[in-house]
Amino acid sequence: DAGVIQSPRHEVTEMGQEVTLRCKLISGHNSLFWYRQTMMRGLELLIYFNNNVPIDDSGMPEDRFSAKMPNASFSTLKIQPSEPRDSAVYFCASSGGIRETQYFGPGTRLLVL
Amino acid sequence: AQSVAQPEDQVNVAEGNPLTVKCTYSVSGNPYLFWYVQYPNRGLQFLLKYITGDNLVKGSYGFEAEFNKSQTSFHLKKPSALVSDSALYFCAVRDTYNNAGNMLTFGGGTRLMVKP
Repeated sequence: DAGVIQSPRHEVTEMGQEVTLRCKLISGHNSLFWYRQTMMRGLELLIYFNNNVPIDDSGMPEDRFSAKMPNASFSTLKIQPSEPRDSAVYFCASSGGIRETQYFGPGTRLLVL
Repeated sequence: AQSVAQPEDQVNVAEGNPLTVKCTYSVSGNPYLFWYVQYPNRGLQFLLKYITGDNLVKGSYGFEAEFNKSQTSFHLKKPSALVSDSALYFCAVRDTYNNAGNMLTFGGGTRLMVKP
């Protein structure tokens, strides 16, 4: 199994631009979690899905952030418009259920100038 | 509410010596406890978990962790450290109390430095 796949691995963009991060779940998993990691705030859960349905999005910073699961194996996290304070490493993780072990992708390192 | 504390930002140990990375937790019900490791520029990698049963849990790369309910701790241990164990280690907890939700709460991480 290839594990959780994230793209792009690195993204540099200018303030105000739209950013889309992508995540492919491990085959057979049905829960998807988006995290953000920064030096100041550590690892934060942004949103998670179960069976394509968003369960808890209380960690999403503001309306500029949105996440979707258009199908059972794929998710996107969009930031529009992006701001410098959004610079972070964004991870997605998948699991076989919302109570099962989460397996993380390699992350997308985002830099907003 | 559930919480996790990793009291040490960094742990330094010489290669070949035993290592311990500390973790304490707070939950309303019973805990599910996890350890993850993060190597530079990589995602978090699952090491081990405690759900129920034996308090000593064995995981990947020779790591183990001991669940201590009275001390609400889940310290990560390894009998003999390797330089390649140098990384960032995260403890995480999920509360099994009915109304606790299903989220994992992560500690702030402990950087382990193993010196030759």
